[in-house]
Amino acid sequence: NAGVTQTPKFQVLKTGQSMTLQCAQDMNHNSMYWYRQDPGMGLRLIYYSASEGTTDKGEVPNGYNVSRLNKREFSLRLESAAPSQTSVYFCASRQQSYNEQFFGPGTRLTVL
Amino acid sequence: AQSVTQPDIHITVSEGASLELRCNYSYGATPYLFWYVQSPGQGLQLLLKYFSGDTLVQGIKGFEAEFKRSQSSFNLRKPSVHWSDAAEYFCAVGGSGNNDMRFGAGTRLTVKP
Repeated sequence: NAGVTQTPKFQVLKTGQSMTLQCAQDMNHNSMYWYRQDPGMGLRLIYYSASEGTTDKGEVPNGYNVSRLNKREFSLRLESAAPSQTSVYFCASRQQSYNEQFFGPGTRLTVL
Repeated sequence: AQSVTQPDIHITVSEGASLELRCNYSYGATPYLFWYVQSPGQGLQLLLKYFSGDTLVQGIKGFEAEFKRSQSSFNLRKPSVHWSDAAEYFCAVGGSGNNDMRFGAGTRLTVKP
C-alpha cells in the first residue's frame, strides 16, 4: 500500500496563476482532508470530504476549491494564487473506526 | 470549541537525556488524543494515540504518553533521546466526528550530541 500520495512535491507560482494539488489514498477511507501548515500555527483545515460526493469548508477555505473525484482522490485547487497561500499543504485520510488520520508527504508551494 | 496548546515552541535536549513534551487540550467530551512526529521535509507520522482504557499509552520509537483527565494533559515522554528524534512534534485532539480534529502549533525538538 502506498498510503496517501500527493503531487506535486514542490511548486512555484506567480501571483494570479492557478493550479491543482492532487491527492490519492489506497486505504479505502471515506473521509479525506486538506490542511495547510504555516510556521507557529500547526495544521489548519482548509476543506474536508466526509464521503464520496460531499465536501465541506474547514477553518481557512477562502481562496480554495476542492473536488472529491471518487473515493480515492481529493484535489485542491487554487484559482488565483496569492502570496498568502505560500505554505506546505498536506492531504490526509481518516480511518473511521479509530479516528486516526494518515498524512501524505506534503506539497511545498511558493507564490511569488 | 476544542483546542490544543503546546506551551513549548522549541526544546533542546542532549542525546541520551530524557524528554517530556507538554500538551494541554480543551474538549467537551472524552477526547481522542494523538501525538504525531514530522521529520524535516516529511509528512506527519503517528507516534501514539489514546482512545480509552489505560491512561499510559505506548507508541513507536520508544515514546509513551500519559492522559491526565484532571489536568487536561497528554504529555509525551521518552526516557533516552536519540539524535534521530530531532523533529517537530504535534499533539492533536478530536472526537468521532468528521471535522473535530485540532492540532497544536507544534514543538520543535533539537538533540545535542
